[in-house]
Parts: sequence; C-alpha cells; structure tokens
Amino acid sequence: AQRVTQPEKLLSVFKGAPVELKCNYSYSGSPELFWYVQYSRQRLQLLLRHISRESIKGFTADLNKGETSFHLKKPFAQEEDSAMYYCALRGEYGNKLVFGAGTILRVKS
Amino acid sequence: DAGVTQSPTHLIKTRGQQVTLRCSPISGHKSVSWYQQVLGQGPQFIFQYYEKEERGRGNFPDRFSARQFPNYSSELNVNALLLGDSALYLCASSIRGQGAGDTEAFFGQGTRLTVV
Repeated sequence: AQRVTQPEKLLSVFKGAPVELKCNYSYSGSPELFWYVQYSRQRLQLLLRHISRESIKGFTADLNKGETSFHLKKPFAQEEDSAMYYCALRGEYGNKLVFGAGTILRVKS
Repeated sequence: DAGVTQSPTHLIKTRGQQVTLRCSPISGHKSVSWYQQVLGQGPQFIFQYYEKEERGRGNFPDRFSARQFPNYSSELNVNALLLGDSALYLCASSIRGQGAGDTEAFFGQGTRLTVV
C-alpha cells in the first residue's frame, strides 16, 4: 500500500528560524516524492520534487530511502512561507498522487 | 491565466441528487485527474483520464464516474449524493498520463460541493 504520513498538523516558528516539515512514506518500490504548497486563497502548486534535486524558494528536500522520509527544510523561515504544505508520492508505474494530510506552517514575526 | 479551470466554484446539493463537475485542462495537456479533499485531509485520488481513456481509479464507489472529451476537458459525476460527499473536488492536468519522469500535475482551484 502507498501511504504518506505528515505527523505535524501545525508547525509554528519565528521568522529567521530553521524549518523542517516531516514526511514519511510507505511504498515497496521506487517512488517519486513531491512537496506541494498552498498559499492562502491560491491553488495547490508544486514546490519541488526529489528527482530534480533543486532548491525552490530556499527549500530543499532529500529522499532518504533507508528511513523512507522526504523531509522539507529551510534554514531561515520567512513570513511569506506561511502556507499549507503537502507531501505526496507517486509510484513508479503510477498515475496517481498519494497525499499526506498536510502541515500548516505559520511563520511569526 | 491559462491554468486549469473548474466549474462551478461552489455548489449546494441535497442528499440523493446528482452532480456534474467540469474541468478544462491547460492547453496541450492530455491527462486529467480528479481528487477529493475532505476538510482536514489531503487530496485523495478518484480518477485519471488520458487520451479519453480511464487510466486509474481510486477507492471510490460506483456512484462516482467521469469521462474525458475529445478536447481533453473532463466531467466528474456523482450520483445519489451523501452527506459525506461534501468536499473540495480538485482537477489536475498534466502533459502525459503516467509513469516516472518530468510530468508535473497542475491543479485547478477546485469545486466546493456541499451536500445538505
């Protein structure tokens, strides 16, 4: 079964503090992992994916197959990072995204 | 904005009624997927269509059906509505249908369905 777990419903940090949004997955093959973000009153949009190995808006995420994790990190949080973040998985033959329940990131000034 | 468009944006229906939701993909995208997002949860996969054929189905009852038209737009139909069908229904389009690779899914704003 494919499953994505985001253990935190809400993460509240101060501006300038480091951020780590946790994501663990369950999948027996070689998955693709994604982070999607939804800013207030905007549509769900792709933030980054593990295969591109890039940094978007200062965020990075490394796929750890041993720990089956894909945590999202940013060294210095900004107020504009406040949003809902979803971790998602797609199987190697997949045609669907499996989402976690999401984590609200709140960056306080 | 040439993004994924969904209609209507909001809808209120009575239990037992039927509803049709519509989605227009980004120009050039041939795949459309539907997701249901219940309050407090992440989106859950319902269907995917690619080149007008169903390519995937999630764990939803037969009351849910969909189709894709020659212009790649899509409709999601739900029959015999239940209170539990109240949710945000999201449509996502992508260039290709499946498999690994650089296939990003672009989401619409969603249709908020309330069943009373």
